[in-house]
Amino acid sequence: GQQVMQIPQYQHVQEGEDFTTYCNSSTTLSNIQWYKQRPGGHPVFLIQLVKSGEVKKQKRLTFQFGEAKKNSSLHITATQTTDVGTYFCAGANSKLTFGKGITLSVRP
Amino acid sequence: EADIYQTPRYLVIGTGKKITLECSQTMGHDKMYWYQQDPGMELHLIHYSYGVNSTEKGDLSSESTVSRIRTEHFPLTLESARPSHTSQYLCASRGTGRNTEAFFGQGTRLTVV
Repeated sequence: GQQVMQIPQYQHVQEGEDFTTYCNSSTTLSNIQWYKQRPGGHPVFLIQLVKSGEVKKQKRLTFQFGEAKKNSSLHITATQTTDVGTYFCAGANSKLTFGKGITLSVRP
Repeated sequence: EADIYQTPRYLVIGTGKKITLECSQTMGHDKMYWYQQDPGMELHLIHYSYGVNSTEKGDLSSESTVSRIRTEHFPLTLESARPSHTSQYLCASRGTGRNTEAFFGQGTRLTVV
């Protein structure tokens, strides 16, 4: 199946700092999805990327799919305390398996 | 708001008991999934289904079983609960076609004592 890897698992930033995390696969992905899970909550879909090199923005969040479709990045500009949570990527084949996620904490 | 529901939300049960966690969705989605997640940890896929009468085991070995007799219903059963089953169980569904985002239920937090 399509396995995706996310490293590191935890990151702490000062409010206002930028944050970038990556999702990597050893195989070419047909598409990739990103989800956010707030503490105590359930994962919520953020975005899907399909095309090689695709870039999508949601307010302060920028998502990119690599040219080889083997990696993806999530960049948050000027983090806020509302960005706290765990961000998961998933190789969205039928099986829908997730990376380990990165838990972001933001110091006010 | 996603139309996918899990019951119960919380369950405390004794070792050896049989339990069924319910998951229902009203979106007509073919694909449904069960994940096990410890607090702050990764999502482990334990079962999934592509449609009625289709069930597959996921990546994490699980002593649970599932059934998919109706499109909207995907229950998870533990024949004999053990303390090692203590975890959160999340159910999700996806449609087919271009828009394939997964919708998650609120989860069932299971404690086996």
